[in-house]
Amino acid sequence: GENVEQHPSTLSVQEGDSAVIKCTYSDSASNYFPWYKQELGKRPQLIIDIRSNVGEKKDQRIAVTLNKTAKHFSLHITETQPEDSAVYFCAASRGLTGGGNKLTFGTGTQLKVEL
Amino acid sequence: DGGITQSPKYLFRKEGQNVTLSCEQNLNHDAMYWYRQDPGQGLRLIYYSQIVNDFQKGDIAEGYSVSREKKESFPLTVTSAQKNPTAFYLCASKIGGSGEQFFGPGTRLTVL
Repeated sequence: GENVEQHPSTLSVQEGDSAVIKCTYSDSASNYFPWYKQELGKRPQLIIDIRSNVGEKKDQRIAVTLNKTAKHFSLHITETQPEDSAVYFCAASRGLTGGGNKLTFGTGTQLKVEL
Repeated sequence: DGGITQSPKYLFRKEGQNVTLSCEQNLNHDAMYWYRQDPGQGLRLIYYSQIVNDFQKGDIAEGYSVSREKKESFPLTVTSAQKNPTAFYLCASKIGGSGEQFFGPGTRLTVL
């Protein structure tokens, strides 16, 4: 089955700096890669996703890049703000090509944005 | 807040008792999922269902059971066979096809 590794497990940045979280996946058939943000005690919420036919996607201060050859994708947050502090999870899925669109999650990154 | 609800928010049970966690959605989503979240381990898939009256095991199904008698509902039973049931349980749903899973607010189960 799919295996997703996520690094780092914790990340501390100064307000206004950039943050980068990296994930690798093992299943070359995976074609959908979402990123979820989970604030303390809350449900995970999708912040951005990318499909395998695209190399990069941006949404305001958030961007995701995908390298299919290396089986590697990353989340980039620019101009970080205190409200960006949360746990971020990457995930991978085969989508419609098999397995009920199951998501395999990374172990999460605790991002802390310091004033 | 997404139209997917879980109850109760907190649940306490004695060891050896079965307990059922509720998950309801009014989003008309076809697929529903149950995840378990433990500190430092991310979200792990327990069971999922793509259509009514059908469900499949996820990565950690042992000690759990589910049913999908209605499109809106996907209850999870944590049985006494689950060796370490204390965890945060999240339900999610998704419309057919590839795309975003919407999560419920979760149930924190503590087995005493």
